[in-house]
Amino acid sequence: AQSVTQLDSHVSVSEGTPVLLRCNYSSSYSPSLFWYVQHPNKGLQLLLKYTSAATLVKGINGFEAEFKKSETSFHLTKPSAHMSDAAEYFCVVSPFSGGYNKLIFGAGTRLAVHP
Amino acid sequence: EPEVTQTPSHQVTQMGQEVILRCVPISNHLYFYWYRQILGQKVEFLVSFYNNEISEKSEIFDDQFSVERPDGSNFTLKIRSTKLEDSAMYFCASSEDQGVGKLFFGSGTQLSVL
Repeated sequence: AQSVTQLDSHVSVSEGTPVLLRCNYSSSYSPSLFWYVQHPNKGLQLLLKYTSAATLVKGINGFEAEFKKSETSFHLTKPSAHMSDAAEYFCVVSPFSGGYNKLIFGAGTRLAVHP
Repeated sequence: EPEVTQTPSHQVTQMGQEVILRCVPISNHLYFYWYRQILGQKVEFLVSFYNNEISEKSEIFDDQFSVERPDGSNFTLKIRSTKLEDSAMYFCASSEDQGVGKLFFGSGTQLSVL
């Protein structure tokens, strides 16, 4: 069965410092992986996705993630945090290479950014 | 940018009552979904809907739940007789095609069953 594990429930960084949100996946298929972000009172927004093309994926707002099959990881990074990055981040796997978007979510990581 | 709109943002109901959660998907989208998140738990898939019928549903989506697209713009989730354990944030989503991960989510309806 497919699953994702987000290794940190909370991450706190200072503005201008790097962000690292960790995600490990489990999938018997070649997975499609995503990061979604949810700002307060907003919908879930797609940050980036990996679907078996380039292993380093660039997303919106300066975020990127690297798919590492040997480590079954898909960590989200950003070189320099901004106050507006404070939100909840979800690592997500789709069990199908093309299908009905039956997404499987991780538990979420709440990112706090301090001045 | 087009958005998925959900109403109401908060809904309080008594156990055993019927509730209808409403969603307006993005206008040219053809695929519709409901997900939910119980407090402290993961976001979980409930159902997907295409061409006026359910494409797939999870084991959570039992006979108490139904979905409908009553007109060209709304997509609803009905819970026939609410239980305490139905309390959760319900997210509607839509996509233009079946391409993986191209979902646009609404901001959710917080359902509280008392």
